[in-house]
Amino acid sequence: SYELTQPLSVSVALGQTARITCGGNNIGSKNVHWYQQKPGQAPVLVIYRDRDRPSGIPERFSGSNSGNTATLTISRAQAGDEADYYCQVWDSSTVVFGGGTKLTVL
Amino acid sequence: QLQLQESGPGLVKPSETLSLTCTVSGGSISSSSYYWGWIRQPPGKGLEWIGSIFYSGSTYYNVSLKSRVTISVDTSKNQFSLKLTSVTAADTAVYYCARRIVVVVADYGMDVWGQGTTVTVSS
Repeated sequence: SYELTQPLSVSVALGQTARITCGGNNIGSKNVHWYQQKPGQAPVLVIYRDRDRPSGIPERFSGSNSGNTATLTISRAQAGDEADYYCQVWDSSTVVFGGGTKLTVL
Repeated sequence: QLQLQESGPGLVKPSETLSLTCTVSGGSISSSSYYWGWIRQPPGKGLEWIGSIFYSGSTYYNVSLKSRVTISVDTSKNQFSLKLTSVTAADTAVYYCARRIVVVVADYGMDVWGQGTTVTVSS
């Protein structure tokens, strides 16, 4: 079965740029989606199909995907960006989630 | 605005069947662009996909749960449901329903989620 690997945690200074990676075998050939989940809340889609933003998601959120790594980039990080982030793909008729990354804004 | 709402018992005994329903409001479940799915999250852990259903009844399941899971749809009530049999403490989790966008064969992610419902498996 397909696996997605994310770092357990990422820290970023307030106002700086955070990058969260999602590794998978030839993930660049798949559509990657990213979700933000704050404590006690349902996940929210922040990036779909590698780099597209749903309406209402700030331009500070961007994505890329190539080779074996997809990346979620959060520019000018704010305290409100502190959350868990999950990547997700569709593979072999299965939804696959990464293990999640906790983003801490210092 | 489309909304999803999970409902069902918050406590289930070991070996029994967990049953949840997701009610779709503000839109029709009978659309060719969406799959409707269940995702769960054990306490302190990550997201686990359980399965998805199309309004026609076509289903996809997580292989690891497939032997215990049934997802069904009732278009007349704009609802879809989850049944998970022979539950154990490991099935204790927050259960979410969500809409997944699919255009032709392309996956666009899950754009609408329910608030989640906590299910505890305990005697």
